[in-house]
Amino acid sequence: NAGVTQTPKFRVLKTGQSMTLLCAQDMNHEYMYWYRQDPGMGLRLIHYSVGEGTTAKGEVPDGYNVSRLKKQNFLLGLESAAPSQTSVYFCASWGGTSLEQYFGPGTRLTVT
Amino acid sequence: AQSVSQHNHHVILSEAASLELGCNYSYGGTVNLFWYVQYPGQHLQLLLKYFSGDPLVKGIKGFEAEFIKSKFSFNLRKPSVQWSDTAEYFCAVNANDYKLSFGAGTTVTVRA
Repeated sequence: NAGVTQTPKFRVLKTGQSMTLLCAQDMNHEYMYWYRQDPGMGLRLIHYSVGEGTTAKGEVPDGYNVSRLKKQNFLLGLESAAPSQTSVYFCASWGGTSLEQYFGPGTRLTVT
Repeated sequence: AQSVSQHNHHVILSEAASLELGCNYSYGGTVNLFWYVQYPGQHLQLLLKYFSGDPLVKGIKGFEAEFIKSKFSFNLRKPSVQWSDTAEYFCAVNANDYKLSFGAGTTVTVRA
């Protein structure tokens, strides 16, 4: 049982490039989330999903897109990266019972 | 939407000192409350949580937190810190939906 995994762990992009971050969970959780973590700002919700095939905007969705084609996977896409998207990205999942969200190890993204 | 305030940005203390981190939230209804910890280079882990019942909640590693409804507070405490408690601590609130709102975080540095 790996919990929540994220790939890649690190990435450097140039402004305007695109990339996709992958989150996978093996706990059969319905809910999945993408956060970004910036110094002094805590974790801010980018997008989330309440089930396979669903997505919704969070607090800071601009510049990001997501897809949840399979229940276990939640993809975060950056179509045209900007330096303001330099951050650490965390994925999380929730099973709907204990209300505890389980977090992945994070992806450190730098946009130059 | 609820907001979460953590009073201290950075706390520095010596081993064996007592620790108290403040957390206040703005939501007036029923809430579920969490403290997460992030050790250097690692992902977020749950320290403790409050859903209902005894307002004094005990978590892992000797941490506890007290929910004071009248003050909208959920402060984290540890009577005697260790060097290994050096980490960033996040308070989070769930207002009976499936999203968490995080505070900005408090960095705790414990000097040996």
